[in-house]
Amino acid sequence: DSGVTQTPKHLITATGQRVTLRCSPRSGDLSVYWYQQSLDQGLQFLIQYYNGEERAKGNILERFSAQQFPDLHSELNLSSLELGDSALYFCASSFSGTANYGYTFGSGTRLTVV
Amino acid sequence: ILNVEQSPQSLHVQEGDSTNFTCSFPSSNFYALHWYRWETAKSPEALFVMTLNGDEKKKGRISATLNTKEGYSYLYIKGSQPEDSATYLCAFINYGQNFVFGPGTRLSVLP
Repeated sequence: DSGVTQTPKHLITATGQRVTLRCSPRSGDLSVYWYQQSLDQGLQFLIQYYNGEERAKGNILERFSAQQFPDLHSELNLSSLELGDSALYFCASSFSGTANYGYTFGSGTRLTVV
Repeated sequence: ILNVEQSPQSLHVQEGDSTNFTCSFPSSNFYALHWYRWETAKSPEALFVMTLNGDEKKKGRISATLNTKEGYSYLYIKGSQPEDSATYLCAFINYGQNFVFGPGTRLSVLP
């Protein structure tokens, strides 16, 4: 157990629907990062939050949004889902808002859009 | 677009062999380089965080070097064991905190 908790582990939903993925960072970590791994693709950075504020943005679609709450857990909202959104979504956390520390990854949420 | 490459794409070695692989990244605006180990059905695990040109880090039989001027990092595994079988990812971070993972090197260590 890495200390980063992601729920749910698996999610199957239909096209056009909206889902929320949840991440609780490791105790003491202030930053949360979201990554997407699609079939045959590497890990793609989506977005980072640090202590409640958006810190960096990667290749995140406009249909996707995220937030980090006062208790530091984060949610990634995916709407108007398409078949191509099927992927493994990872959350990672780190102590600082910069890359001076390695990131601790959760076990991921596998999203299947049918 | 930040381009991070890793070579080889995959590698098969015998138990006891030493091996190394390469991560290539942009040589400008460098902030940090991370190495991760990713076993099948698990999540990536941090190995090293490297920030200074010439950095060398070691953890047991695994070590890494960094050359920020020419934009590469090497990961070495001495005396490979079957439990070293995994995908090894590097990630390049620039001063804009853009974080880009390489595609990984898949290592298989045969007993």
